[in-house]
Parts: sequence; structure tokens; C-alpha cells
Amino acid sequence: GAVVSQHPSRVICKSGTSVKIECRSLDFQATTMFWYRQFPKKSLMLMATSNEGSKATYEQGVEKDKFLINHASLTLSTLTVTSAHPEDSSFYICSAKVATYEQYFGPGTRLTVT
Amino acid sequence: AQSVTQPDIHITVSEGASLELRCNYSYGATPYLFWYVQSPGQGLQLLLKYFSGDTLVQGIKGFEAEFKRSQSSFNLRKPSVHWSDAAEYFCAVALNQAGTALIFGKGTTLSVSS
Repeated sequence: GAVVSQHPSRVICKSGTSVKIECRSLDFQATTMFWYRQFPKKSLMLMATSNEGSKATYEQGVEKDKFLINHASLTLSTLTVTSAHPEDSSFYICSAKVATYEQYFGPGTRLTVT
Repeated sequence: AQSVTQPDIHITVSEGASLELRCNYSYGATPYLFWYVQSPGQGLQLLLKYFSGDTLVQGIKGFEAEFKRSQSSFNLRKPSVHWSDAAEYFCAVALNQAGTALIFGKGTTLSVSS
């Protein structure tokens, strides 16, 4: 089946710095990818929809200047958390759309901001 | 507003026993419903989905789910649980007609006792 990878799997950064998370579709092309945030014991919250070659669509309440999304190719989308703060610590999960109602999910990235 | 409720935060069942995980949704139109499983270090894996037709859907790993419109429910079942089924289970509904975005429930943690 379709495989989606994320890198890094874990990252620790200092407050005020930026960190980039990569999401790759390994064996298929994905014109649309999604970024979710998962809090402990909480459901996944959709942050934004990333479309190749165009600007990402952010969900209400998600700061587009803080969470920069770039989908420069059909197999790669990146999420950059800028000027990270401890409250940005979370589990970030990406998914790639393979069909109208199907997404394949990456394993997630644990971000800890100290 | 659309929402998904998973009433049980944590369930423990004995290995070999049957399992039912509950999911209720609130959605004005015809729902597109999904069950995903998340294991530590792994991405979300699709167990099964319901779009239309037969209200009892079969999925992978021996799971099945039944759509009941009158109860706004889509409960997940398995007749005999294996220790490897211990994981986090999420029910989700497609957000709009295009089916691209998903709303997730908060998840149910399944523990399997020997």
C-alpha cells in the first residue's frame, strides 16, 4: 500500500527557534497533503490542507505565519514551525490524499519546545 | 457543527473476548465514516470505511462496523481480540462533499489482557 514518511520522528528545539518537518509520499504522487496536530488524549485536529504548487489552506484559528507549509513537489510537503514556543509542543501528523475519500497517514513527529 | 463522539476513553478486554467500540456522529448530510487504528510509532491505518450501501462493512484484521442511521452510530466490532489489537482507535467522518478533510473523535484506547 501507499507509504507516507515523516522526518524527523522526534525533535527538540529551543524556544524562539524554527523547526521544519518533512512529509513524503514514498511510492505515489500526492497533489494534496494534510497536516494535523494531535494533543495528548485528544483527537487529531486538522491544521491545513497543502496543495502542490499553490498556497496552503489553513483551518480557522491556525496561524499561517507561525505554521508555514510548503508543497513544492508531488511527493513532499513541509511544515515549518516558526519562533516555536513551549505551547507548540505536540505531535504533528501529515497525510497524503490518494483518492477522494482516502488518506494515508505518516507516523508523526513529536515536537518538544524547551 | 459536525462532530464525532467516542464515549469510551479506555477499554480493556481479555484476549479472545469480543470487542465493540462505540462511535456517534453529528452530521447533517449523508456521512462518510471511517475507523482508523494508531499504534505507537506508526501512522494511522485505515481499518474500514462506509460510504453507502450495505450497512455492515468488513475491514482488515477481522474488524467490522455497522452503520445505524437511526442511532447516528458507527460502532466497530471484532469477535475475538488478539493481544496485537492493543492500540488507539479513532472514528472519523468526512467533513464535506469532497471528502477531503476528516473530523476525528477523541479516540478509544484498547488494552488487551491475557
